[in-house]
Parts: sequence; C-alpha cells; structure tokens
Amino acid sequence: KAGVTQTPRYLIKTRGQQVTLSCSPISGHRSVSWYQQTPGQGLQFLFEYFSETQRNKGNFPGRFSGRQFSNSRSEMNVSTLELGDSALYLCASGLFSNTGELFFGEGSRLTVL
Amino acid sequence: DAKTTQPPSMDCAEGRAANLPCNHSTISGNEYVYWYRQIHSQGPQYIIHGLKNNETNEMASLIITEDRKSSTLILPHATLRDTAVYYCIVRESGTASKLTFGTGTRLQVTL
Repeated sequence: KAGVTQTPRYLIKTRGQQVTLSCSPISGHRSVSWYQQTPGQGLQFLFEYFSETQRNKGNFPGRFSGRQFSNSRSEMNVSTLELGDSALYLCASGLFSNTGELFFGEGSRLTVL
Repeated sequence: DAKTTQPPSMDCAEGRAANLPCNHSTISGNEYVYWYRQIHSQGPQYIIHGLKNNETNEMASLIITEDRKSSTLILPHATLRDTAVYYCIVRESGTASKLTFGTGTRLQVTL
C-alpha cells in the first residue's frame, strides 16, 4: 500500500513569489491535513480537508490556502512568500476526520531566499 | 498551546526498555492521548493512542494513570533505530485531524 506522497520534495523560491505543494493521500483516505515545521515554532497545524471541505484551520495568515479535489488529493498554496515561510511542510492523511491515526508524508522542504 | 509536558531529552541503552513520561493534567474526558515520533528529517510516525485503558501494539505500550493526568510510553527493547523525537499529544474527539504538537522528548538510544 503506497504511503502519503508529497511533491516536490525540495524547492527554492524568492520573496514575493508563490508556491503550490501537492499531497496524494493513502488510497481510501478522505482526510488530508497540512502542517508546517520550523526550528523555532516546531510542528504547527495549518488546515484540514475532508471530502473537499475545509474542516479546521490553524492560526496562519490568509496567504496560506489549500484545497482538496474529488480524488482526495490536496494542494496548499502560499502566496507572497516571506523569508519566514521557509519550512518543512508536511501532509498527513487519515481515514476519518476526527479520530484514528494520521499517516504523514516525507514533507516538502521550502527555502525562501 | 500544547496540553502536554514532556522532558526535553532522555537516553536509553540499546536493548533496555525506554520509558517516556508525559503529563497532561488538564485532560478532559473525551480527549485521547496519542504518541507520534519523528526520526530526523522524516514525517512523524504514529505509535499508539489510548483513552483510559492501557494499550499495547507491536511497537509500544501505553500506560495511562487512573486519573488520566499522565501517561508513559514504553518501548520494550529499544534499538538504535528508535532514536527520535517523541511527541505526546492530547487530541479531542471531534476536532478533525488537528494535532497540537509540543516540543517532545528527544530519545537517544546508545550502544
């Protein structure tokens, strides 16, 4: 059974640009959530999608957005990149929205110059 | 904010049991205790979770005190591959897939 797949694994952007990250959940999983990990703030919840609907959102500015497609694949977008957006962005999928284990991908490492 | 308190680091000799404590004194009745670990540069990995009763799976055992204010994750025979940051998380049922990670415990398994 394939795990959670995130693309791209590494990318470098400059300030002011925008970026789109992709996540393919485990087959059959309908919940996809996103997390940001930085050395200073640790792992922080960004948002969660279940059946194409955003169920919950963390405390991040509106520059961070996401969506989920009918096949459960998800994308997150960060517009007007800032240096502080440099981070490991992790995607997790789960069978259900509010219980059970989450399966994390390897992450997309974004560097903003 | 994270609802859990964990020691920042612990050491364990390979082959010995690793006992990782977690305090969650404000836990409420419908909140579960979850444990994840993160090996360097990888995504977090689910280990185990429980509500009231002790739980065991192929990876670890979870011991929750009767008052549910603390718990211990036990890795029965630690190996070098168990070196990781271990996160204890209190997760409210019905709050979607939002996990609030604290700073975790960095477990170093040594020869």
